[in-house]
Amino acid sequence: SAVISQKPSRDICQRGTSLTIQCQVDSQVTMMFWYRQQPGQSLTLIATANQGSEATYESGFVIDKFPISRPNLTFSTLTVSNMSPEDSSIYLCSVEEMGGSNTGELFFGEGSRLTVL
Amino acid sequence: AQSVAQPEDQVNVAEGNPLTVKCTYSVSGNPYLFWYVQYPNRGLQFLLKYITGDNLVKGSYGFEAEFNKSQTSFHLKKPSALVSDSALYFCAVRDAGGYNKLIFGAGTRLAVHP
Repeated sequence: SAVISQKPSRDICQRGTSLTIQCQVDSQVTMMFWYRQQPGQSLTLIATANQGSEATYESGFVIDKFPISRPNLTFSTLTVSNMSPEDSSIYLCSVEEMGGSNTGELFFGEGSRLTVL
Repeated sequence: AQSVAQPEDQVNVAEGNPLTVKCTYSVSGNPYLFWYVQYPNRGLQFLLKYITGDNLVKGSYGFEAEFNKSQTSFHLKKPSALVSDSALYFCAVRDAGGYNKLIFGAGTRLAVHP
């Protein structure tokens, strides 16, 4: 299975600032997914990132707030812009391996825990 | 729209006893169903999946799940619980609408007591 590294693992941020989370995969992958897990909640998909195209955002999430880059097949970034305390969450990067069975099994990074003061 | 429900916020079981974590789903077509586990301060780990074939699926750490089409359920089971199984468990269903987007249930916290 793919090994997924996220940075930072955790951070404490001030209201109004922006933070970029990096996701590095040790193999080439077609699609990368960014999820948010608010405290005590389940996972909600923010967007799907394909290399060479604009990210596809889910209802309730917009590019201005969560810009995403996908410069190559092993790397992606998610920026949380103009943060407020409501953005305090764990942000998780996930992938399906290239050449996989296309049956939806995803692998997850360890997550980036953001606290906004 | 696809959805998945985990009716129990928490399940308590004594070590050595069998455990069941419940999951029901709603999809328009054939479901792809998954179980993930999340240990404290960790990401999600894949446990098992049902795509097609045998209704009883075996996965990691001795877990298994039974797909029941008539009841639209995919309950997670283990014959003998360990204290180390204590974690947050998520059921997920694949959205047939495109890509491989997974829709997650709310999660069930499993507490195994010595």
